[in-house]
Amino acid sequence: DTGVSQNPRHKITKRGQNVTFRCDPISEHNRLYWYRQTLGQGPEFLTYFQNEAQLEKSRLLSDRFSAERPKGSFSTLEIQRTEQGDSAMYLCASSLSGGAAGELFFGEGSRLTVL
Amino acid sequence: GENVEQHPSTLSVQEGDSAVIKCTYSDSASNYFPWYKQELGKGPQLIIDIRSNVGEKKDQRIAVTLNKTAKHFSLHITETQPEDSAVYFCAASTLYNNNDMRFGAGTRLTVKP
Repeated sequence: DTGVSQNPRHKITKRGQNVTFRCDPISEHNRLYWYRQTLGQGPEFLTYFQNEAQLEKSRLLSDRFSAERPKGSFSTLEIQRTEQGDSAMYLCASSLSGGAAGELFFGEGSRLTVL
Repeated sequence: GENVEQHPSTLSVQEGDSAVIKCTYSDSASNYFPWYKQELGKGPQLIIDIRSNVGEKKDQRIAVTLNKTAKHFSLHITETQPEDSAVYFCAASTLYNNNDMRFGAGTRLTVKP
């Protein structure tokens, strides 16, 4: 197992375009999280899935953002009509559930630059 | 919701010295406090965590202390090495719900050789 994998690592797009990021969690992990990290800040929670169910969304997740985890394995985060303020690192993390919550394993992130 | 404050934002120490990073949290229900290290171009990686039923935990050169009454916790790194240079984040959540984990703004630690 190579850990949490995110693609693409870097994406440069023009304002108004749509972008999609993919996250492949650690295979036995049933929880998957998306965080956003801007320069000089800690990760900010966006949303999380337990298996294929999206159980919580942050208010940061405007209606231009949508996340899916169709088969409870990989997840996608789509941003429609991108704005310059969407420029950030988008981090995916996974963990096990059941019993005490444990470590979040993060991927290396997908950096978005909106011109 | 939970609010986590972290200080200092930057810290520079000489190799071999100790480094201390402090965090406070607001939600008294929080009972799980991890610390993550983030190197340039990489995602955060857990280095140590503490649960609210203990006041201190050590792992080699790293230790974390927790004061539940005052709602603050600290990371202590002894005998610092240049490879300790990174951004460190504290976080707080409730033990059975990682979805409520909230992070501090980070401390950029520089260890000068």
